[in-house]
Amino acid sequence: AQSVTQLDSQVPVFEEAPVELRCNYSSSVSVYLFWYVQYPNQGLQLLLKYLSGSTLVESINGFEAEFNKSQTSFHLRKPSVHISDTAEYFCAVSERSGNTPLVFGKGTRLSVIA
Amino acid sequence: NAGVMQNPRHLVRRRGQEARLRCSPMKGHSHVYWYRQLPEEGLKFMVYLQKENIIDESGMPKERFSAEFPKEGPSILRIQQVVRGDSAAYFCASSQGLAGSTQYFGPGTRLTVL
Repeated sequence: AQSVTQLDSQVPVFEEAPVELRCNYSSSVSVYLFWYVQYPNQGLQLLLKYLSGSTLVESINGFEAEFNKSQTSFHLRKPSVHISDTAEYFCAVSERSGNTPLVFGKGTRLSVIA
Repeated sequence: NAGVMQNPRHLVRRRGQEARLRCSPMKGHSHVYWYRQLPEEGLKFMVYLQKENIIDESGMPKERFSAEFPKEGPSILRIQQVVRGDSAAYFCASSQGLAGSTQYFGPGTRLTVL
């Protein structure tokens, strides 16, 4: 079984400042890793995912995450946030073997302050 | 190019009534997942279906909940004799069914039980 821990439930940050949202996971098998974003009253949208290859993955809107196997982490970062980044961010994992459901963390609410 | 569609978006039921939630996957997707999001919680997996088959229902409550994905038509999550604790946002996701393939989420159905 897998579990995902998002250490911060809320992260307030000023506009144009950098941000890091932390994610650690626990699993007895190899996993794929995902970050999803949820805007108010909407469904989840995939932000980025790690399947294999380079441990640093990037999204089209400036976010990046790095897979660290030894620390079992997949932290999400952005060097300069915008007001429009205000949302809930969920880290998730799924087993590599087969097509298995996602296991989510509880989410981190990012609030960008003007 | 329609994404995952869910209806209704909002559903109000009185205790003891039945709730039916519908999900139409993205075109070309034959794998559907249902998740439940309680307030201040992440998403919890409920059930995974392919056309006419339940693949994994390990997250589904044993009583009152059922799901189907018929050969024709949308996937349906059915909750019988609803109780206040069933109030939540229910999200459907679909994928192509390959290992590591992205799950695309619908906008969710917000169920309120009075």
